[in-house]
Amino acid sequence: DQQVKQNSPSLSVQEGRISILNCDYTNSMFDYFLWYKKYPAEGPTFLISISSIKDKNEDGRFTVFLNKSAKHLSLHIVPSQPGDSAVYFCAANSSGSARQLTFGSGTQLTVLP
Amino acid sequence: EPEVTQTPSHQVTQMGQEVILRCVPISNHLYFYWYRQILGQKVEFLVSFYNNEISEKSEIFDDQFSVERPDGSNFTLKIRSTKLEDSAMYFCASSRKSDTGELFFGEGSRLTVL
Repeated sequence: DQQVKQNSPSLSVQEGRISILNCDYTNSMFDYFLWYKKYPAEGPTFLISISSIKDKNEDGRFTVFLNKSAKHLSLHIVPSQPGDSAVYFCAANSSGSARQLTFGSGTQLTVLP
Repeated sequence: EPEVTQTPSHQVTQMGQEVILRCVPISNHLYFYWYRQILGQKVEFLVSFYNNEISEKSEIFDDQFSVERPDGSNFTLKIRSTKLEDSAMYFCASSRKSDTGELFFGEGSRLTVL
């Protein structure tokens, strides 16, 4: 099942710089997209989301961009902080099945001090 | 801050044994979920539960699995006869609304089937 793909298993960024995490999807029925962050030995934590009627959503240091024609979304973190080091999961659902999230495989972000 | 709690944090069982994983969702949430993550693989949806019945379930959630909300606070996942491939981290989650995917996850229960 490759409906949601995160092609970069890992990303390293210097503290203070921008982190860009990417995600692609194939299911045209998806209309709501989310990013979750996961620390070791913890469950995923909701970070930010975007509806398909928008192309950008911003919350503090976190911005999610959605390109529907390319079926691509990205998460920008600026400035990156060492505490941002975690696995970031992209997830998606459709309004017809809003309770069922489809997750990507995750990207391990390491922010170097 | 309210949180979803899960017990046990780690359970080791023999193949064929029954396992019950327990969860206490956030108190004013109405929708409850189980997800699992096999080591090295994606987080996968198992089942959602609302108003004392299953709303949706995935192909993974076969007859060996069942969920229950036995009282006003607990939400359980039962695996009737465990198989080796059931070894995974099982995450419980809850949400107030169902129209988005903003779920609150617990820390997970690691199940190891020998």
